[in-house]
Amino acid sequence: DIVMTQSPDSLAVSLGERATINCKSSQSVLYSSNIKNYLSWYQQKPGQPPKLLIYWASIRESGVPDRFSGSGSGTDFTLTISSLQAEDVAVYYCQQYYSTPYSFGQGTKLEIK
Amino acid sequence: EVQLVESGGGLVQPGGSLRLSCAASGFTFSDHYMDWVRQAPGKGLEWVGRTKNKANSYTTEYAASVKGRFTVSRDDSKNSLYLQMNSLKTEDTAVYYCQVWFSGRVCWGQGTLVTVSS
Repeated sequence: DIVMTQSPDSLAVSLGERATINCKSSQSVLYSSNIKNYLSWYQQKPGQPPKLLIYWASIRESGVPDRFSGSGSGTDFTLTISSLQAEDVAVYYCQQYYSTPYSFGQGTKLEIK
Repeated sequence: EVQLVESGGGLVQPGGSLRLSCAASGFTFSDHYMDWVRQAPGKGLEWVGRTKNKANSYTTEYAASVKGRFTVSRDDSKNSLYLQMNSLKTEDTAVYYCQVWFSGRVCWGQGTLVTVSS
């Protein structure tokens, strides 16, 4: 099974500053036949289901602000929020969908400093 | 617009059973893989299991934590997904979400809460 590890567990960033969350998989989630990384990022606010932000590691979901971006390949991935807004306070998760059982990182709690 | 609406959650005693449903609309249900994911109170996300589509023989897969106790099924004629949960344990207490995959993109329902307690 693939284990997903996020860092840090929590993060406090000032409004307007950059926030960076890392996600590492225990094995590559890059599928060689189509050169796609099977990695998603989600945002979850209290009492709500997770919201898809990024899929295929770097494709922004429709309607997601362009301050959110995803990067990385193979086993190391990053979610970047270029200029933190108050509404970005949430828990963020990565997920691999390369192989079942699909697995999630433990989550990163993002707060305002 | 894709919609997934879960139902059937509630309070059940340890050792009991419960059946969750997920009503789907806004897409061709029969074409897609469908998953269940759960989240224990205050905890992270855990993939539970899936059913593939007819083209893939409705094959099911499960997390080790639920294999042998939970069964995922679907009824394409009713655009519905099900999760039959038997031999429930206190650690199965969670919000259960259904998901549909669209080639890398995934949509989630709002979830239904299952509480296993005596």
